[in-house]
Amino acid sequence: SQELEQSPQSLIVQEGKNLTINCTSSKTLYGLYWYKQKYGEGLIFLMMLQKGGEEKSHEKITAKLDEKKQQSSLHITASQPSHAGIYLCGADLNSGNTPLVFGKGTRLSVIA
Amino acid sequence: NAGVTQTPKFQVLKTGQSMTLQCAQDMNHNSMYWYRQDPGMGLRLIYYSASEGTTDKGEVPNGYNVSRLNKREFSLRLESAAPSQTSVYFCASKGWGTLETQYFGPGTRLLVL
Repeated sequence: SQELEQSPQSLIVQEGKNLTINCTSSKTLYGLYWYKQKYGEGLIFLMMLQKGGEEKSHEKITAKLDEKKQQSSLHITASQPSHAGIYLCGADLNSGNTPLVFGKGTRLSVIA
Repeated sequence: NAGVTQTPKFQVLKTGQSMTLQCAQDMNHNSMYWYRQDPGMGLRLIYYSASEGTTDKGEVPNGYNVSRLNKREFSLRLESAAPSQTSVYFCASKGWGTLETQYFGPGTRLLVL
C-alpha cells in the first residue's frame, strides 16, 4: 500500500554490523506492528507499538515509534545470519476494527 | 494451539480450473483475512471478515470469493483461475478491536499455468 512506505527495499550487511529499517506512514498510526518472514514461510509477529515515543526491545531487535506517530524504525544490533529474512511493518490506520495495512517489506541478507 | 492453519501448502492449477483455499484458527478470533503476496507488491488484502456472518472486499477482490463458514473457518475460492492469480496466499486472524495482534498462517503457494 502507498500509505505505508518501507526503506530500504533491501539490505545486505556484514555479520556483526548494526542496521536500521524505517516505516513511514502518510497517516497517523494508531498501532504499528513489525513482522519477520523467513524465505518461503509465514509472517512471525515481532512487536507492536502504540504510543508516540514508545520503544520496545526483543533480544537484539529494538523498535521505536516517533512522537508524531507517523514513523517507526526497527534497529538490529550486531546482526547475525539468523536475522536474515523479510521485515514487514503493518499499521492500524483507523481507530476502529479495520484490517492492517502493510508496507512492501525490507529484504535483509546477513553475510559472514 | 495450532494458531492459524492453511491447506493446501502448494497447488498447481490450469487456467480455468477452480479451487478453494481453506483457513482455520483456534484462537477464538472474530476477524479473519485473506492476503496475497507478490514480489515487489507486498501484502495486499483480498477479502476480510470482521466477524462471523460478515465479509468485505479488500484491495484486490476481483476473481475471488470468500465464505466465513463459522467463527473458526474462512475459505477463499477461485472460480476460474488465471495466471495473474499465481501468488502466495496468507490467511490471518485477529481479536476484536484495535491493538490486537494479527496472526498469520504459513501460506499457500499457488501456481496457475
